[in-house]
Amino acid sequence: AQKVTQAQTEISVVEKEDVTLDCVYETRDTTYYLFWYKQPPSGELVFLIRRNSFDEQNEISGRYSWNFQKSTSSFNFTITASQVVDSAVYFCALSEAASGGSYIPTFGRGTSLIVHP
Amino acid sequence: ETGVTQSPTHLIKTRGQQVTLRCSSQSGHNTVSWYQQALGQGPQFIFQYYREEENGRGNFPPRFSGLQFPNYSSELNVNALELDDSALYLCASSLGLTSYNEQFFGPGTRLTVL
Repeated sequence: AQKVTQAQTEISVVEKEDVTLDCVYETRDTTYYLFWYKQPPSGELVFLIRRNSFDEQNEISGRYSWNFQKSTSSFNFTITASQVVDSAVYFCALSEAASGGSYIPTFGRGTSLIVHP
Repeated sequence: ETGVTQSPTHLIKTRGQQVTLRCSSQSGHNTVSWYQQALGQGPQFIFQYYREEENGRGNFPPRFSGLQFPNYSSELNVNALELDDSALYLCASSLGLTSYNEQFFGPGTRLTVL
C-alpha cells in the first residue's frame, strides 16, 4: 500500500477556477510531518508548506490554503482563483521517523495541474 | 545568497559504468539529501548527509553511495549502472534534518543510461 496517495493524476481547469488537490497518507507514527511541494516545468521542487502531526490548524497563504484532517489522514491543498503560473506538478510528502533518529520522506506520485487561460 | 547547484545538468552513460553527480548546498546549510525521480513519478529518497555523516537511507542498493565534504557540498556515486537508473537526480539542502526544516532543491541532473 502506498504511504502517500495522490489519486488525481492530472487536473485541468480554466483560469480563476478554484481547485483542490487531494493527499491521503498512511502512517502508524504519532509524530510525523507532511509537506507540499510544487515542481514547475523547470524541474526544481519548491517547498510550499510543512505541517507536523500535532498541528491540525488549517493554513492560508494568499491564494493557497491547506486542510489537515488526522481523522481521515488527509492533507488537501486548495488554490483559489487559479492562474496560468500555477501550472505545475504538485507533490505531497510524508516524513516519518526511521532508525537512528532520522526521518525518511516519502513522496506521492504527484498531481499535474494545468491551468488554461 | 547562492541557491543549490548541481552538476552536470545532463549525463549519458552506458550500462555497467560508474557516475558521480555533484551538489553544492545553499550557503549555511549543513544537511544534504539526494532523491531519484523517475519520469512521471515522485522523488524517491536515496540518503541524507548531516555534518558529513550519512543520516538516513532509503531503499536503494549499496552501489548508490555518497559523500559530504567539510564545506557541506556533496557527491552521489552510482556504480554498475543499470537501465533503470535513468532518472532525474535531485539534491536538496537544509539547515538541520529534513523533518524539521524546509528543503531547498537544486535543478537536478538528468541521467540517461543506455
